[in-house]
Amino acid sequence: KAGVTQTPRYLIKTRGQQVTLSCSPISGHRSVSWYQQTPGQGLQFLFEYFSETQRNKGNFPGRFSGRQFSNSRSEMNVSTLELGDSALYLCASSFDATNEKLFFGSGTQLSVL
Amino acid sequence: GNSVTQMEGPVTLSEEAFLTINCTYTATGYPSLFWYVQYPGEGLQLLLKATKADDKGSNKGFEATYRKETTSFHLEKGSVQVSDSAVYFCALDVYNQGGKLIFGQGTELSVKP
Repeated sequence: KAGVTQTPRYLIKTRGQQVTLSCSPISGHRSVSWYQQTPGQGLQFLFEYFSETQRNKGNFPGRFSGRQFSNSRSEMNVSTLELGDSALYLCASSFDATNEKLFFGSGTQLSVL
Repeated sequence: GNSVTQMEGPVTLSEEAFLTINCTYTATGYPSLFWYVQYPGEGLQLLLKATKADDKGSNKGFEATYRKETTSFHLEKGSVQVSDSAVYFCALDVYNQGGKLIFGQGTELSVKP
């Protein structure tokens, strides 16, 4: 059974650009959540989607957005990139609406120059 | 608000030493508690969990007991191996409705042969 797949693995952008990250959950999983990981702030929750609906959102500015498709794949978008957006972005999927078992991808390392 | 506090790292131990990583939490209601592990270059993996007071989670020789009276969920292992070198995250889930886990800062463990 394939795990959670995130693409691309590495990304380099410049300030002001926008970026789209992709996450393919484990087959059959309907919940996808996104986290930002930085050395200073640790792991912070961005948002969570279940059956194409955003159910939870963390305390991030509106430049951070996401969506989920009917096949449960998810994308997150960051517009007008800032240096502070440099981070490892992790996606996690689970079968149902609980946190009983989250499966994480290896992440997308975003560097903003 | 809800938060998780972990002991600071890095923690350096010799192989076969006893491991304790402290984790305390602040939460409203009755959270579920988790330990996740992150190996270099990888995403997080669920190590163990406990969903109610006095529950003991265990996996791969690691254990943690949910102590409501001390709001703690300390991770222990009787004999660590070099392969246990990783970053360990304590996390809580208050909402139990998917996605939104609150993580501690992480504790880096290095085990020397």
